[in-house]
Amino acid sequence: EAQVTQNPRYLITVTGKKLTVTCSQNMNHEYMSWYRQDPGLGLRQIYYSMNVEVTDKGDVPEGYKVSRKEKRNFPLILESPSPNQTSLYFCASSLEGTSGAYSTDTQYFGPGTRLTVL
Amino acid sequence: GQNIDQPTEMTATEGAIVQINCTYQTSGFNGLFWYQQHAGEAPTFLSYNVLDGLEEKGRFSSFLSRSKGYSYLLLKELQMKDSASYLCAVTTDSWGKLQFGAGTQVVVTP
Repeated sequence: EAQVTQNPRYLITVTGKKLTVTCSQNMNHEYMSWYRQDPGLGLRQIYYSMNVEVTDKGDVPEGYKVSRKEKRNFPLILESPSPNQTSLYFCASSLEGTSGAYSTDTQYFGPGTRLTVL
Repeated sequence: GQNIDQPTEMTATEGAIVQINCTYQTSGFNGLFWYQQHAGEAPTFLSYNVLDGLEEKGRFSSFLSRSKGYSYLLLKELQMKDSASYLCAVTTDSWGKLQFGAGTQVVVTP
């Protein structure tokens, strides 16, 4: 079954304690992206990756890091989480980037990770 | 700055038609997506418009006017399961960069 998985689904942590949210897709997609979703603000892109070792900043990258060492995995790292990073996080993947010839290809979102930073 | 505007909430009756408008002002434009998101779930892809005009997919249609910076999503023959948030998103010149509007909550009543 084609899917994007995220772990953990729920996490409560404390300020300053490093954490990683994993994202994995089994569709051999080149493009992957991380978003956060907050009430009234909608989805905001944090980072995206066009392929292995190719990443770029979205609109709200501060306080986050990513890596793309393998095609299937795109972890989101919070080196020193703060309460303003409390949010619902989504990972997404697609065959190609958002501007390419195959952009009409289905874009898959993971189930979301609800993070609370105390 | 970048602006993507859509109404906060719309209410319609089962069986009716609802049109959700989205206007955008962005530094670049390559295409516009519509997503559906049920409460507590991940967004799901509905449509992608890159050229002006109407794209129809069953009960859902999406329209784009690049010159006017305007799109709409048309939902026909509304069903209760269509109650959800509908997200408009624009892809700019940067490869892979995607910006979302805040979403329109559609409430379908019996």
